[in-house]
Amino acid sequence: QVQLVQSGTEVKKPGASVKVSCEASGYTFITYGITWVRQAPGQGLEWMGWISANTGNTKYAHKLQDRVTMTTDTFTSTAYMELRSLRSDDTAVYYCARDGPTLTRGWFDPWGQGTLVTVSS
Amino acid sequence: QSVLTQPPSVSAAPGQKVTISCSGSSSNIGNNYVSWYQQVPGTAPKLLIYESNKRPSGIPDRFSGSKSGTSATLGITGLQTGDEADYYCGAWDSTLSAVVFGGGTKLTVL
Repeated sequence: QVQLVQSGTEVKKPGASVKVSCEASGYTFITYGITWVRQAPGQGLEWMGWISANTGNTKYAHKLQDRVTMTTDTFTSTAYMELRSLRSDDTAVYYCARDGPTLTRGWFDPWGQGTLVTVSS
Repeated sequence: QSVLTQPPSVSAAPGQKVTISCSGSSSNIGNNYVSWYQQVPGTAPKLLIYESNKRPSGIPDRFSGSKSGTSATLGITGLQTGDEADYYCGAWDSTLSAVVFGGGTKLTVL
């Protein structure tokens, strides 16, 4: 079955960086994209950006574009999301989800299990 | 403040029907498809509806989606206690060049 498995919980200090991985299985990785969404405690969903697994083309949310980098490794069918200069308001559960091969498809299925990133001094 | 507007909560009795609204603008819902997600607390979101009114395989036909103008609606019939969750709408926004979500609606099955 199609599945996305994410890396484990992270605790970081303000100013540090975090890199979350998302390993895909059950489908041809390069024929889809990966979207990243985060959810702060008790809050709603926030779209972070998209990457084409085939071309590596990316589109980031405007508020994050200076601090986030999304990459893929087609040999291991793994997507990565790195967020730099972490702040306390970056504390959230970070999800990867399978997206379309083009940017504007706008729906995600399935989702990874989520990775909790806590930013605290 | 979310770009798409949903009611914070809805409730209904088991077996009844409920609808959840999602209001946007011409830059998102008005000219793009809407998707709906179910999130049971502590778990990842799950796709319920895509392209405004299509159900992925495995999603029961008790769940339906519709769109009219700049608003969309999720309908759930034959409510079950297992339907208690948060529900989110989402759409591509052509002006923002980003996916936007509603703030979420908490469904309580009384």
